[in-house]
Amino acid sequence: DVKVTQSSRYLVKRTGEKVFLECVQDMDHENMFWYRQDPGLGLRLIYFSYDVKMKEKGDIPEGYSVSREKKERFSLILESASTNQTSMYLCASSAGGIQETQYFGPGTRLLVL
Amino acid sequence: RKEVEQDPGPFNVPEGATVAFNCTYSNSASQSFFWYRQDCRKEPKLLMSVYSSGNEDGRFTAQLNRASQYISLLIRDSKLSDSATYLCVVNIGATNKLIFGTGTLLAVQP
Repeated sequence: DVKVTQSSRYLVKRTGEKVFLECVQDMDHENMFWYRQDPGLGLRLIYFSYDVKMKEKGDIPEGYSVSREKKERFSLILESASTNQTSMYLCASSAGGIQETQYFGPGTRLLVL
Repeated sequence: RKEVEQDPGPFNVPEGATVAFNCTYSNSASQSFFWYRQDCRKEPKLLMSVYSSGNEDGRFTAQLNRASQYISLLIRDSKLSDSATYLCVVNIGATNKLIFGTGTLLAVQP
């Protein structure tokens, strides 16, 4: 069974803080993704990575950065958290190939005060 | 036009009913299509892939109409446990980038 874990289920931070969200997958998947999910907007892709040390911008990368130092771990960084980054953050992974399913972690609900 | 569009619902149906959801996509070059299910406050999980010839998995049937650029999901004999949000997902091009619809909420009533 594929397992994708995220470091926190709930997180409360203050405006301006640096925030790290960690994601780990145990299936040796090449691809990893970070999404945010907001009511009425669905899932939106922030960043993704095809390989270690490789990253690509998604649809809404502004205000975020990522790090992939090891194949199994993909980190999302909010350099200076703002209230409009309050959201549900979902990490996913997949093996190579267009048809491959993306497996999601349980999500992190981030509240920025 | 949104890249993937779904009727948000909610669809309120009695147990045992048959319910169908449609989803339209804008990019004619799309090659991969999926239905995901998301329970309240949980992560999305793959329900089924959608193949050109249509495919069935128990009570669930998925179909693709490339000419009209829509996919559909049919649920027969609805169960209370089918209550969830159903996300239409379309892959764009040669990357693994998936575009998620905003989802259709299904509430099956006893």
